[in-house]
Amino acid sequence: GQSLEQPSEVTAVEGAIVQINCTYQTSGFYGLSWYQQHDGGAPTFLSYNGLDGLEETGRFSSFLSRSDSYGYLLLQELQMKDSASYFCAASGYNQGGKLIFGQGTELSVKP
Amino acid sequence: GEEVAQTPKHLVRGEGQKAKLYCAPIKGHSYVFWYQQVLKNEFKFLISFQNENVFDETGMPKERFSAKCLPNSPCSLEIQATKLEDSAVYFCASSQSSVAEAFFGQGTRLTVV
Repeated sequence: GQSLEQPSEVTAVEGAIVQINCTYQTSGFYGLSWYQQHDGGAPTFLSYNGLDGLEETGRFSSFLSRSDSYGYLLLQELQMKDSASYFCAASGYNQGGKLIFGQGTELSVKP
Repeated sequence: GEEVAQTPKHLVRGEGQKAKLYCAPIKGHSYVFWYQQVLKNEFKFLISFQNENVFDETGMPKERFSAKCLPNSPCSLEIQATKLEDSAVYFCASSQSSVAEAFFGQGTRLTVV
């Protein structure tokens, strides 16, 4: 089967750095995406890794290691508004963009 | 439009009734996806379209669920004879290509009572 594992919840303080890990077992793996969801609203795209290494987009970075079937999302200079659920999602070859999601990590940012 | 528009926002149906959800993808996007999210947990893939053609329907409970994306009409997801376990938020997403990021709508919250 196909599955992605990520921690269910993480807590951090404002201004800190937090890393959300994601391990995957998917056939025909193509790339790993990260989405943010506030209060059950529309998920918004944060980052994508198609190749090994680090992708940086402002305060958010994402990393992928295909050999370890592992990726992470790094959030720097945390702000209260970053409190949300974060989902990793895998896409596969010839899957037409279909995403297989992890269970989501609820991030709570404290003052 | 510049965003994925889903209607209605909320839908309440009695068990056994029909439910129909609509999605207008972003103009110019060729791929449309439907996902089901129960209790803010993982998103379960239901079906995808490439233009008006079904691309992948491996996630659909086919006996009760059906979906269409016809030209010049919103896409639709229909559930015949709803069950309590169909209560969820149904998200529609669209993308320009199979490797581009997906843009999600605000979802339709279906409650089956």
